[in-house]
Amino acid sequence: ETGVTQSPTHLIKTRGQQVTLRCSSQSGHNTVSWYQQALGQGPQFIFQYYREEENGRGNFPPRFSGLQFPNYSSELNVNALELDDSALYLCASSLGDNLYEQYFGPGTRLTVT
Amino acid sequence: QKEVEQNSGPLSVPEGAIASLNCTYSDRVSQSFFWYRQYSGKSPELIMSIYSNGDKEDGRFTAQLNKASQYVSLLIRDSQPSDSATYLCAGDMNRDDKIIFGKGTRLHILP
Repeated sequence: ETGVTQSPTHLIKTRGQQVTLRCSSQSGHNTVSWYQQALGQGPQFIFQYYREEENGRGNFPPRFSGLQFPNYSSELNVNALELDDSALYLCASSLGDNLYEQYFGPGTRLTVT
Repeated sequence: QKEVEQNSGPLSVPEGAIASLNCTYSDRVSQSFFWYRQYSGKSPELIMSIYSNGDKEDGRFTAQLNKASQYVSLLIRDSQPSDSATYLCAGDMNRDDKIIFGKGTRLHILP
């Protein structure tokens, strides 16, 4: 177990709806990254937060947004859901000075119908 | 060329043999590399990181980085059925704080 938790485990939404996914980082980790993993693909970087500020963003549209809170927990919000948003959403935490050694949570499986 | 490329497999290896997983990367990727193992339906688990040219060993796992040829590999000695999983290669992007993953190689250890 990595100490990173995510909720919910599974979620089914309808196209056009909005969704919020949550992540609680490993104790002491101040950096969180979010990834989208489609079936048969590697994780795709969405964005990263470091000490509550966005610290990098991948090629995802603005309807993907996020927040990091003072306790380093985090949210991923997706507006106007599309069918292609169906995927496993992963958050990963790391310590700021060892940014690349990331520890993943169990993920949230999102299905958009 | 994609930033990080892997053969999707499946790669089938007899139990007890050495499994060799390979990954190539583009100039846009920096020199820090990571191998993750992902069991079906689970999240990726970090198993090795390598930052310098050469070999790094950890138990049955050896990561190899060849900067001149722009490839990184993972060797698994004495393969066990429990090693059957998808192995993801990842690298960090030059001048950009993000990790890029390959598509992963499916490894199947034959009992």
